[in-house]
Amino acid sequence: NAGVTQTPKFQVLKTGQSMTLQCAQDMNHEYMSWYRQDPGMGLRLIHYSVGAGITDQGEVPNGYNVSRSTTEDFPLRLLSAAPSQTSVYFCASSLRTEGNIQYFGAGTRLSVL
Amino acid sequence: LAKTTQPISMDSYEGQEVNITCSHNNIATNDYITWYQQFPSQGPRFIIQGYKTKVTNEVASLFIPADRKSSTLSLPRVSLSDTAVYYCLVGPRGAGNNRKLIWGLGTSLAVNP
Repeated sequence: NAGVTQTPKFQVLKTGQSMTLQCAQDMNHEYMSWYRQDPGMGLRLIHYSVGAGITDQGEVPNGYNVSRSTTEDFPLRLLSAAPSQTSVYFCASSLRTEGNIQYFGAGTRLSVL
Repeated sequence: LAKTTQPISMDSYEGQEVNITCSHNNIATNDYITWYQQFPSQGPRFIIQGYKTKVTNEVASLFIPADRKSSTLSLPRVSLSDTAVYYCLVGPRGAGNNRKLIWGLGTSLAVNP
């Protein structure tokens, strides 16, 4: 199993550009989440999903959209990138019965100029 | 919701035992305590989880007092490769809502030769 795969690993955007961060898992996990990690602020939840077709907002959802058309994939869309969205983004997945044991991808380091 | 507090940083030397404490005064009855390890340029990785008393695996031990208002991650005889950031997570085991999972800000452990 590959686990949780995130692409790309690095990305530089200009202010106002849009892009999609990809996340895929091959463990048949029901739950998937997107976090951003900034220095001194730990992990903050952006959006999460408890199953295909079901998504909900986390702590910092503004400026981001998600969808979950399949169990495996959970892309994160930046609609109009802003410098405040410069961060490291992590995707995670977990079983429904073990939501606090999450498997993380390697992350996407995003810079918005 | 429980709030988790952990030291920002700790220093140790190879071969020593390291104890990292997390405070979670408002922990709920159905909350579990989970610890993660994160190396630079990687996503967090699950280490250990517990509900009460003591849990031990091949990597670490987790001590939880009877009142469950704190927990201590114990790393026996650390090596240079244990240099990482350690996160405490508090929340229900089968969280239907990821917002019930409360992350600490992380403790940066530096192991010196």
